Amino acid sequence: SQTIHQWPATLVQPVGSPLSLECTVEGTSNPNLYWYRQAAGRGLQLLFYSVGIGQISSEVPQNLSASRPQDRQFILSSKKLLLSDSGFYLCAWRNRRGTQYFGPGTRLTVL
Amino acid sequence: AQKVTQAQTEISVVEKEDVTLDCVYETRDTTYYLFWYKQPPSGELVFLIRRNSFDEQNEISGRYSWNFQKSTSSFNFTITASQVVDSAVYFCALSEAPDTGGFKTIFGAGTRLFVKA
Repeated sequence: SQTIHQWPATLVQPVGSPLSLECTVEGTSNPNLYWYRQAAGRGLQLLFYSVGIGQISSEVPQNLSASRPQDRQFILSSKKLLLSDSGFYLCAWRNRRGTQYFGPGTRLTVL
Repeated sequence: AQKVTQAQTEISVVEKEDVTLDCVYETRDTTYYLFWYKQPPSGELVFLIRRNSFDEQNEISGRYSWNFQKSTSSFNFTITASQVVDSAVYFCALSEAPDTGGFKTIFGAGTRLFVKA
C-alpha cells in the first residue's frame, strides 16, 4: 500500500530564515505530487504540482519554490521566510483515478 | 473555470442528529471527479469518497451517504446519527479528469461541523 511522509511535523522559524520541507511517497511510482498551504481556519491553496522528476508547475508566485529531485520526493523551499508564510503545509500524491492522498502535514510558524 | 462552493461555513448539531453538508460545483468539463475529504483536529485530510461524473448513483457507507445530482451540480454529504467523532472540517473537491490531461483538484472552502454530546 502507499504511504506519504512529511517532515518535520512542526517548525518554528524566524523571519528571513530559509525553509526546507520534505515529502516522500512509498508504494507507487511516477506519482503526481502536490504542495498545498492552509492558513489558520481557511481552505487549501495549491502552491505547486509536479508530474515528474524536475517538472514543477507553480500556481502562486511568491518566495516559495519546489523541487523534485527523485521520483517520489518533493521538496518545498524558501530562501527567506515571511510572516505570511506561516500555515499548515500539506503534501499530496494523486493516483490514476484522480484521488489525492495527503500526508500528515507540517505546521510552520514564522515569528 | 472550475469552482466548488460550500455555502455552510459552520454547522453545529447535537449527537444523534442527522446533518447534511452541501456542495455545489461548476465545471465545463464533461468528465470530472468529485470528492469529499475530512480534516479532523489533527490536520491530516482523510479521503472519504470519489464520484465519477458519469455515475450518479447515490452511495451509502455506514452512517455516511452521498447524493450526486448533475442536474443541480450538487454533491451533498449526509451523516446519519452524528457522533462527537464526526466533528471536523469537511471539504468537497472537484478534479479534472486525469485521462484528459487534468492535474488539478479544486477544493471548496470547507464546512466545520461541531457535534455536541
